Amino acid sequence: EAGVAQSPRYKIIEKRQSVAFWCNPISGHATLYWYQQILGQGPKLLIQFQNNGVVDDSQLPKDRFSAERLKGVDSTLKIQPAKLEDSAVYLCASSLAHGGPGGNTIYFGEGSWLTVV
Amino acid sequence: DAKTTQPPSMDCAEGRAANLPCNHSTISGNEYVYWYRQIHSQGPQYIIHGLKNNETNEMASLIITEDRKSSTLILPHATLRDTAVYYCIVRDDSGGSYIPTFGRGTSLIVHP
Repeated sequence: EAGVAQSPRYKIIEKRQSVAFWCNPISGHATLYWYQQILGQGPKLLIQFQNNGVVDDSQLPKDRFSAERLKGVDSTLKIQPAKLEDSAVYLCASSLAHGGPGGNTIYFGEGSWLTVV
Repeated sequence: DAKTTQPPSMDCAEGRAANLPCNHSTISGNEYVYWYRQIHSQGPQYIIHGLKNNETNEMASLIITEDRKSSTLILPHATLRDTAVYYCIVRDDSGGSYIPTFGRGTSLIVHP
């Protein structure tokens, strides 16, 4: 079974530039997550989708971050304009939507490493 | 905020058992305990989960106290490749919306 795919793997941009990250979840997974992980910290949830609807985006800095999942499959996370403090790993993850034991196991991609200089 | 607390770091000798504790004193009846680990430069990887019974799989064992306020992840024979950050989270698997929240985890170093 293919895992969660993310690209690009690494990106270096200057502050005030824009960047976009792409994610393809595991086939059949209705729930998709974007996490931000700053060095030395645990992953912090930015946004959670259920199919193409947003479940929670309370920690997404909406003045500069946006995310979409138009067809309920792939997702894109965009940062515009980037700040130095946005340097982090951006992790995409997915899970099955149904409840029950193990139904909500989260599977992560390898992450997209962003450095803002 | 994460609903779990874990020691920031631990170390273990190769070949010995690694016992990683997690405190989740405010856990509710519908919440499962999940463990993940993150090896350097990779995304977190699912290890095991449980509700109230002890669980074992090919990677680890999970021991949950009777009052469910704490749990221990056991790696029975730790290897150097088990060096990673281990995260304990709780989440409701009843099917409703739930926000999975990670803390800082425990950095486990397995030494020769």
